[in-house]
Amino acid sequence: DIQMTQSPSSLSASVGDRVTITCQASQDISNYLNWYQQKPGKAPKLLIYDASNLETGVPSRFSGSGSGTDFTFTISSLQPEDIATYYCQQYDNLPPTFGQGTKLEIK
Amino acid sequence: EVQLVESGGGLIQPGGSLRLSCAASGFTVSSNYMSWVRQAPGKGLEWVSVIYSGGSTYYADSVKGRFTISRDNSKNTLYLQMNSLRAEDTAVYYCARGGGGGFDFDYWGQGTLVTVSS
Repeated sequence: DIQMTQSPSSLSASVGDRVTITCQASQDISNYLNWYQQKPGKAPKLLIYDASNLETGVPSRFSGSGSGTDFTFTISSLQPEDIATYYCQQYDNLPPTFGQGTKLEIK
Repeated sequence: EVQLVESGGGLIQPGGSLRLSCAASGFTVSSNYMSWVRQAPGKGLEWVSVIYSGGSTYYADSVKGRFTISRDNSKNTLYLQMNSLRAEDTAVYYCARGGGGGFDFDYWGQGTLVTVSS
């Protein structure tokens, strides 16, 4: 199975800050990488698909980049409603696998 | 509007069986890859199983031989039959629709909690 390593595992930032989360795959996954947001008690929500494509309806402050093994997820200006856990997920190979998550908190 | 509504979770003893359902509306289940994804309490996301639009099925090693994914096209409903349940199967189970890439999960149900305990 492809291992996905996210960092950091937790992050505290202020409203308006630029926030960056990284995700590293254990092998080349091209651009088959998605990012999800999960708020407590809720289902995950797809934000970014294929590494850099913004899902319909998702605010433009969210973005993603990368290919191969190294990927980055960015919130350009943190808003209070962005408090959540974020997961990366690869689907280059079965089984699709998720990173361990990054819990984002407001400072 | 696309909606996925899971049901069937509950408390079950180790070794028992349970069938989860996921009723879909706003799209056709058989036209999409449909997956089950689970999340143990306080833990991350784990993919469980997929049924392709063509009907092929695949499973995580952790559930292979014990779980069966299926669908009823007439009811537009996805199922997960879970047998020989173990404590480590305790989790919230989500059904999720695969988008254009098959495994970009663009719609999720609200989740149903399965607790395996004596």
